[in-house]
Amino acid sequence: NAGVMQNPRHLVRRRGQEARLRCSPVKGHSHVYWYRQLPEEGLKFMVYLQKENIIDESGMPKERFSAEFPKEGPSILRIQQVVRGDSAAYFCASSQHQTWTSGGSNTGELFFGEGSRLTVL
Amino acid sequence: TQLLEQSPQFLSIQEGENLTVYCNSSSVFSSLQWYRQEPGEGPVLLVTVVTGGEVKKLKRLTFQFGDARKDSSLHITAAQPGDTGLYLCAGARETSGSRLTFGEGTQLTVNP
Repeated sequence: NAGVMQNPRHLVRRRGQEARLRCSPVKGHSHVYWYRQLPEEGLKFMVYLQKENIIDESGMPKERFSAEFPKEGPSILRIQQVVRGDSAAYFCASSQHQTWTSGGSNTGELFFGEGSRLTVL
Repeated sequence: TQLLEQSPQFLSIQEGENLTVYCNSSSVFSSLQWYRQEPGEGPVLLVTVVTGGEVKKLKRLTFQFGDARKDSSLHITAAQPGDTGLYLCAGARETSGSRLTFGEGTQLTVNP
């Protein structure tokens, strides 16, 4: 069974360029989450998607960042006109069910990929 | 404002010693998870605790969720070099939907 696959593992971009990060969830998982981790910090939630729908993007910067999870193919996190502050590790996670119900009970484990490390020069 | 405070931030001990890592908050969490992350890899889930006062054991690791569901601890007995890694706690709140709030982690180094 393949786990969450992220690519590229490492990406170098110059300021102003675009970065595209791809995430293939665990087979059969329809819930995808993107988190960002700065050096020596914890993970910060960015966005939660189900197939073809953005469910929660409250952690996503309003400008330059977008995410999608099409019916076919991987989830993509896109960063336009990158700046040095975008340098970070971006982690994708997937789950089979919605991780938390409205009542707060856990219904599924979160599986993380190995991350994509973006360096902006 | 950091919702989940982890302490200590760094911990270096000798093989065979015991240690405790703390995860504290002023907010109530409906459940809390502990992850371990190694360099260059993603976090791996160790345990989920959901009930106030709950204690879970995973071999030499003991996890506890506070009675008020605002704090948690991870205790490792007889630490081994293989326990070295970044330990992260993450909480879910009823008002946060599917978002997990992560602490900033405790970097543990176990020296042989």
